[in-house]
Amino acid sequence: GQQLNQSPQSMFIQEGEDVSMNCTSSSIFNTWLWYKQDPGEGPVLLIALYKAGELTSNGRLTAQFGITRKDSFLNISASIPSDVGIYFCAGRSSNTGKLIFGQGTTLQVKP
Amino acid sequence: DGGITQSPKYLFRKEGQNVTLSCEQNLNHDAMYWYRQDPGQGLRLIYYSQIVNDFQKGDIAEGYSVSREKKESFPLTVTSAQKNPTAFYLCASSIRRQTNSNQPQHFGDGTRLSIL
Repeated sequence: GQQLNQSPQSMFIQEGEDVSMNCTSSSIFNTWLWYKQDPGEGPVLLIALYKAGELTSNGRLTAQFGITRKDSFLNISASIPSDVGIYFCAGRSSNTGKLIFGQGTTLQVKP
Repeated sequence: DGGITQSPKYLFRKEGQNVTLSCEQNLNHDAMYWYRQDPGQGLRLIYYSQIVNDFQKGDIAEGYSVSREKKESFPLTVTSAQKNPTAFYLCASSIRRQTNSNQPQHFGDGTRLSIL
């Protein structure tokens, strides 16, 4: 079936550093979503992208919908300890309409 | 406040036992979903429902069953046929796909199911 490749799988960074993670697919998507999940809780929507090339910010977070419609990235600037968690990308397939999730990027921030 | 409520937070299942996970939403969303999350993996779709009294199998429906008798409720039953049920189960909802196909899903806080 369709898959999203999310990378990196994990990151361990120093507080204040910028972070970048991305998702790629072999299929075309018409929506990209980025979620954050804290331990023992459900994912919370961070940013939603609906158009190729769209660049959207939410505070220190910025995400872009790739021009090819097959990728997306999420940047976090000036990381802080509460940024710790698992970040998931999700893409809605143009072919099937299904929402497909990446495997997640685990972020750890050292104070 | 509007939201999605899953209960219980933790659930234990004995061998051969069926258990039911509750999911209630007061967001007036038509579509509801159940996902399974295992360590190091993305979310996998078990079942989804776009409207009351209708539901569809997802990618890993075997060993699970659902019902959608009310708009607000979408309970998931993990049957004894599911041989590896230990996982974190997440319920989500969204505006109905046909009219707003790009609307994102919003999640509950999950139920962690373990085998005794």
